[in-house]
Amino acid sequence: DAKTTQPPSMDCAEGRAANLPCNHSTISGNEYVYWYRQIHSQGPQYIIHGLKNNETNEMASLIITEDRKSSTLILPHATLRDTAVYYCIVRVAYAGNNRKLIWGLGTSLAVNP
Amino acid sequence: GAGVSQSPSNKVTEKGKDVELRCDPISGHTALYWYRQRLGQGLEFLIYFQGNSAPDKSGLPSDRFSAERTGESVSTLTIQRTQQEDSAVYLCASSQSVTDQPPTQFFGPGTRLTVL
Repeated sequence: DAKTTQPPSMDCAEGRAANLPCNHSTISGNEYVYWYRQIHSQGPQYIIHGLKNNETNEMASLIITEDRKSSTLILPHATLRDTAVYYCIVRVAYAGNNRKLIWGLGTSLAVNP
Repeated sequence: GAGVSQSPSNKVTEKGKDVELRCDPISGHTALYWYRQRLGQGLEFLIYFQGNSAPDKSGLPSDRFSAERTGESVSTLTIQRTQQEDSAVYLCASSQSVTDQPPTQFFGPGTRLTVL
């Protein structure tokens, strides 16, 4: 019952920006958008999260539409090491004792030389 | 250590045997999570600990699965009478106390379980 929809795969040329879309049309007002990635044979790695405003950190930028029904993760200068499965997840910050994340299948990003 | 550690990294067992998987969370993290990831699939939530209590066990697939946590540190996931469908990577994550907003989970490298 993942609340997000992502394309199953994408390609990107090394050095170019990678723009990974995510649809979350049923998102609630108190739900955050999280992005994680999973490099082959490793545990998932947190990238970034946001609520309403666009966010940027040392890894990526997160652009959230005004209606919050979709978002885009931007890797500004993709490298071969960015090849991974990228997961977009929505959940509330505080939900009583429910703190689990519901994971979909993500987008498999291949960065090509 | 600086991150979440899990042991063993790989476990091969025979059908019907019991296995124990261990997770050491980041020091000071009060929340701990277990997930299962089957080949080519996303993560499947199993159980969550806040301290040593487990408010959410909803993801445990059967009564063969159990988990415990000692204080706010080590957790053990036990699978009894393993079946071939239990073969997967078992991932552990931890996050800071309930006051962090929102809680960001940090993952270990996982334990790859193969049931023959």
